[in-house]
Amino acid sequence: DTGVSQDPRHKITKRGQNVTFRCDPISEHNRLYWYRQTLGQGPEFLTYFQNEAQLEKSRLLSDRFSAERPKGSFSTLEIQRTEQGDSAMYLCASSLISDFDSPLHFGNGTRLTVT
Amino acid sequence: TQLLEQSPQFLSIQEGENLTVYCNSSSVFSSLQWYRQEPGEGPVLLVTVVTGGEVKKLKRLTFQFGDARKDSSLHITAAQPGDTGLYLCAGSGGGADGLTFGKGTHLIIQP
Repeated sequence: DTGVSQDPRHKITKRGQNVTFRCDPISEHNRLYWYRQTLGQGPEFLTYFQNEAQLEKSRLLSDRFSAERPKGSFSTLEIQRTEQGDSAMYLCASSLISDFDSPLHFGNGTRLTVT
Repeated sequence: TQLLEQSPQFLSIQEGENLTVYCNSSSVFSSLQWYRQEPGEGPVLLVTVVTGGEVKKLKRLTFQFGDARKDSSLHITAAQPGDTGLYLCAGSGGGADGLTFGKGTHLIIQP
């Protein structure tokens, strides 16, 4: 068990550019979550997958955001036409399906800065 | 929308003191989880409380879930500098929308 890993750890991009982040969950975990955290705030739910199916999306997830988990293993989160308001820490978490109260195992996040 | 309010937002105390932080909501949660987050890292689970009135202890940390499952508290005895961090509570309504997190309590323990 190597934990949840996220890549890259930091990303600086100019407004209008597209960015893609990757998350590798704990191997036996079939639920994968994306959260966004801004300074001084708790994590905000964006979306989650059960295996390869994206089952829930927050209203925070605008049309510029898309997430995939093609083979039910790693996941990618893409932001198109980035805006300064997208600057945040993007956290990925995974859990083992049992019920919705299962604890989340978080990665160390990707910090995005849009200039 | 289920909201969790944490208080205080910031707390700075001396090593050896005791403290309590709170997590309150007007909604009922099927469970509450407490996480601790250090700068540049993801949150790490401390405990899950499920039953109303439940008390769980983790060394010097005592967690309590309110009888009505709407609130929770975290009490730290004899705080140490290593307890410094952002303490987050997160609630599950049992639905499919992931955990709802509070904004957290920033705790600083000064040596």
